[in-house]
Amino acid sequence: QSALTQPASVSGSPGQSITIPCTGTSNDIGGYDYVAWYQQHPGKVPKLLIYDVRVRPSGISDRFSGSKSGNTASLTISGLQPDDEADYYCYSYRTGDTILFGGGSKLTVL
Amino acid sequence: EVLLLESGGGLVQPGGSLRLSCVASGFTFTDYAMNWVRQAPGKGLEWVSSISGSGDRIQFADSLQGHFAISRDNSKNTLYLEINSLTADDTAIYYCAKRLWLGGLLGPFDLWGQGTLVTVSS
Repeated sequence: QSALTQPASVSGSPGQSITIPCTGTSNDIGGYDYVAWYQQHPGKVPKLLIYDVRVRPSGISDRFSGSKSGNTASLTISGLQPDDEADYYCYSYRTGDTILFGGGSKLTVL
Repeated sequence: EVLLLESGGGLVQPGGSLRLSCVASGFTFTDYAMNWVRQAPGKGLEWVSSISGSGDRIQFADSLQGHFAISRDNSKNTLYLEINSLTADDTAIYYCAKRLWLGGLLGPFDLWGQGTLVTVSS
């Protein structure tokens, strides 16, 4: 199955806000509110940032927020910090009981 | 402490087989579906398979059907992944991951192991 579509790279300056889009279809993002986002620092394990489109697990900063419109989900990071520099992956349930990940977006904090 | 610890990776020749293990601790293993996710070197995450807490429900990524087998031994708090007919495309870090919610099968993953590297090469 095709991965969800994310930009390969995004960038922003400290203190700014950035948004990472993740585009799917009506069979995944558009059809279900089962969207999640993960952060992965180089050489580290992925970390769950957002689930059910916009819910933050305990301990996740409110600088991270999620949203969805149609077939596109988005992760917004406000007040960028140097430690936010990492890879970000979107995730969605897809019709037929499958799971899809996005291709990943590398965030550079300038 | 909640923890997942994978093992079983290594260098394997093309066409070979491998069994990966993931030992869980710090939570009631039988209450949660478990998953395998892989990541090829320098590439993104790819969901491989999920298994329910009791082991009676299983799902695989469509592209990987027949190539992998997932199982669990709840008496040993251990998840397994058997990979057959390995090719270079299977070279990746294989992570086990715990489902966020109790019960069910599919769902976001809130706990990940450190991963075990499988390298397929002659």
